[in-house]
Amino acid sequence: DPKIIQKPKYLVAVTGSEKILICEQYLGHNAMYWYRQSAKKPLEFMFSYSYQKLMDNQTASSRFQPQSSKKNHLDLQITALKPDDSATYFCASSQDRGQGYAEQFFGPGTRLTVL
Amino acid sequence: GDSVTQTEGLVTVTEGLPVKLNCTYQTTYLTIAFFWYVQYLNEAPQVLLKSSTDNKRTEHQGFHATLHKSSSSFHLQKSSAQLSDSALYYCALWGAKLTFGGGTRLTVRP
Repeated sequence: DPKIIQKPKYLVAVTGSEKILICEQYLGHNAMYWYRQSAKKPLEFMFSYSYQKLMDNQTASSRFQPQSSKKNHLDLQITALKPDDSATYFCASSQDRGQGYAEQFFGPGTRLTVL
Repeated sequence: GDSVTQTEGLVTVTEGLPVKLNCTYQTTYLTIAFFWYVQYLNEAPQVLLKSSTDNKRTEHQGFHATLHKSSSSFHLQKSSAQLSDSALYYCALWGAKLTFGGGTRLTVRP
């Protein structure tokens, strides 16, 4: 059974629309993250959450909003979509964000295409 | 902030020959950990190696790396490359957060 679920696997959206990317982890981890991967920037950190609290935000745009309704959920809402937002978005989790050795496990990703 | 540099964007090697992927870093944190992640085509990144001990060799799946704090490096090596090693490799540093290098795409040709 998959330990980190991301839905949908593929997503096509029109410019200006809003989408929500879903992430659920069943590893019992306390920290969750979002990353973005595109041709321009191979793997880019976006957000980190620990115990459902935002710990770090490296995304300049407020169009990207993480949402944590449960400890093992971290969704990503993207508003006013632009073609430059086209990328694969990975969710990841780790046992504890504070530990220097906290290995992060990645979900399968959601490939977003904005037309 | 932290930074990780992978000097080669693309590396091509013939099967059976050794391969080395370079990784250097800059950080202000004293307690740090290092990872090599591998990403196969259309898959998620996954940890290949991890280390936080200076001058200690770490091995997994035929790959090895040694953290050298004196030279700020954590190069990845393998003595004999296999076709199945073709993938995208990321070096990553954990300081305040996980910082990835730009990635090196390794292609192993027959």
